[in-house]
Amino acid sequence: DSGVTQTPKHLITATGQRVTLRCSPRSGDLSVYWYQQSLDQGLQFLIQYYNGEERAKGNILERFSAQQFPDLHSELNLSSLELGDSALYFCASSGPLEGHTGELFFGEGSRLTVL
Amino acid sequence: GEDVEQSLFLSVREGDSSVINCTYTDSSSTYLYWYKQEPGAGLQLLTYIFSNMDMKQDQRLTVLLNKKDKHLSLRIADTQTGDSAIYFCAEGRVADKLIFGTGTRLQVFP
Repeated sequence: DSGVTQTPKHLITATGQRVTLRCSPRSGDLSVYWYQQSLDQGLQFLIQYYNGEERAKGNILERFSAQQFPDLHSELNLSSLELGDSALYFCASSGPLEGHTGELFFGEGSRLTVL
Repeated sequence: GEDVEQSLFLSVREGDSSVINCTYTDSSSTYLYWYKQEPGAGLQLLTYIFSNMDMKQDQRLTVLLNKKDKHLSLRIADTQTGDSAIYFCAEGRVADKLIFGTGTRLQVFP
């Protein structure tokens, strides 16, 4: 158990809909990362938050948005869903900036299926 | 740009050694990592190597880093069926995102 919790584990929805994925980082971790894993594209970095502020942005579509709340949990919002958005969405967290090896701790993922 | 490449598949016999290779492009990476993903699970860190090291050994795992060629490898000695999984190479710096490869699916047969 990595200590990172993601909900829901599975989600099936229709094209055009909007969903919210939730992530609780490990206790004490300030950084949260979102990744998308699809069959043909490996693990793609979407966005990173550090202590409530956006820190880095990757290949995140404009239809997607995220935020990190004061209690450090994070939500990834996916809207106007398309078939190609079907994927496994991972959240990861990491520890303090100092004296750290940069390891990310991953949740078990939220599997999104868009029909 | 940042890019990490791996071969997609590797098949080995139980008891043999497995070698999974990875190439990366970002020479400013501080650490390089190997993660393992079992079916239906998230990614778990197997081992990492600091960029100024050439080799790291951890029980059955040996990591070799050729910084000049930007090549990283993971050797698993005495491969077991429980080692069957997808192995991801990743590069990054502390408090920064990690860039992952496409993953190598290791299949171990008896």
